[in-house]
Amino acid sequence: KAGVTQTPRYLIKTRGQQVTLSCSPISGHRSVSWYQQTPGQGLQFLFEYFSETQRNKGNFPGRFSGRQFSNSRSEMNVSTLELGDSALYLCASSLGILNEKLFFGSGTQLSVL
Amino acid sequence: DAKTTQPPSMDCAEGRAANLPCNHSTISGNEYVYWYRQIHSQGPQYIIHGLKNNETNEMASLIITEDRKSSTLILPHATLRDTAVYYCIVRGPGGTSYGKLTFGQGTILTVHP
Repeated sequence: KAGVTQTPRYLIKTRGQQVTLSCSPISGHRSVSWYQQTPGQGLQFLFEYFSETQRNKGNFPGRFSGRQFSNSRSEMNVSTLELGDSALYLCASSLGILNEKLFFGSGTQLSVL
Repeated sequence: DAKTTQPPSMDCAEGRAANLPCNHSTISGNEYVYWYRQIHSQGPQYIIHGLKNNETNEMASLIITEDRKSSTLILPHATLRDTAVYYCIVRGPGGTSYGKLTFGQGTILTVHP
């Protein structure tokens, strides 16, 4: 069974641009969550989707948004990029059952210049 | 979710057992203890979780004290590939959240030859 797939693996953007990151969960998984990881702040929860609905949102500005499609694939978008948005963005999927373990992808490394 | 405290770093000799402690003194009766690890440049990987009984799987053992205020992750025969950041996470039943984890700074485990 294929794992969580995130594309692209690396991305370089400039300030003010926008970016879209993609996540394909493990087949059969209905919950997708997104995390940002930086050296200073560590791993921080961005948001979570289940059955195309956002169920939970972390403490990030409105420039960060996401969506989930009917096949459970998810995208996250960051508009008006800032230098501080440079980070590893991780996607995780799970069955959508309480206390089920999460499976993480390898992430997208975003650099904002 | 209850807060956890872990030592920032630990060393272990290859082939020996690695015992990683975690304090979670404010844990509630319905909260689980989870362990994940993150090898450099990869997404976190689930290791094990438990409520109050000791748990064992093919990767590790989890020992939870009787008062549930602390726990220990045991890697019985550490290898160089076990060098990673280990995160202890306390997670409630979830409510409406399947995919939200609160990561701390974790313990950097270095396994030496």
